[in-house]
Amino acid sequence: QSALTQPASVSGSAGQSITISCIGSSSDIGGYNFVSWYQQHPGKAPKLVIYDGTKRPSGTPNRFSGSRSGNTASLTISGLQAEDEADYHCCAYAGASTYVFGTGTKVTV
Amino acid sequence: QVQLVDSGGGVVQPGGSLTLSCSVSGFSLTSHAVHWVRQTPAKGLEWVAVIGYHGQKKFYAYSVSGRFTISRDNSSDTVYLQLSNLRTEDTAVYYCARDGDLAVPRSFDAWGQGTLVSVS
Repeated sequence: QSALTQPASVSGSAGQSITISCIGSSSDIGGYNFVSWYQQHPGKAPKLVIYDGTKRPSGTPNRFSGSRSGNTASLTISGLQAEDEADYHCCAYAGASTYVFGTGTKVTV
Repeated sequence: QVQLVDSGGGVVQPGGSLTLSCSVSGFSLTSHAVHWVRQTPAKGLEWVAVIGYHGQKKFYAYSVSGRFTISRDNSSDTVYLQLSNLRTEDTAVYYCARDGDLAVPRSFDAWGQGTLVSVS
């Protein structure tokens, strides 16, 4: 199972919006529509910010939103804030109780 | 509150073995599956294994199948990952993570702090 493809880095100014893409295949993103996104600050464990492609768990600010089209999922951060500077990882269910992660994206504010 | 604490990492020679532990609190292992995920600077996050909430179903990534074994002890609220026939490419920070199950399906809604395994 190959890793999902994400841009290595994305940057934006405070208050702007950015979008991170996550490209998979019909065996994962396109086949099951179970995509989650994780935020990871340096030296910390990942933290869930989006699940089921578009849903926010309690505690995730509403400036985080997710979407999917075909084999590509996206995470948008609107009204970028300094604390959003972190690494972001997408993850997709790949069937038979297995999962595949993306290559990770470093967001700079 | 929900908490997972990883431990057991260390330095091991190629071909050696190691057992990682994940002690959980704030939830029951009989109601949530638990996964192991590893991370390297070069490859990022990689899903490794899962044990279902019934404890019977276990699944592994192709890269570790036949070498790693996931298990659990309900009485001590601990999930284990036995690593054997280790290779240099198994060097990583290993995290245990709780499956969100019905509430937050097909996602990992709580994570341990990670434990470093170095194969050299």
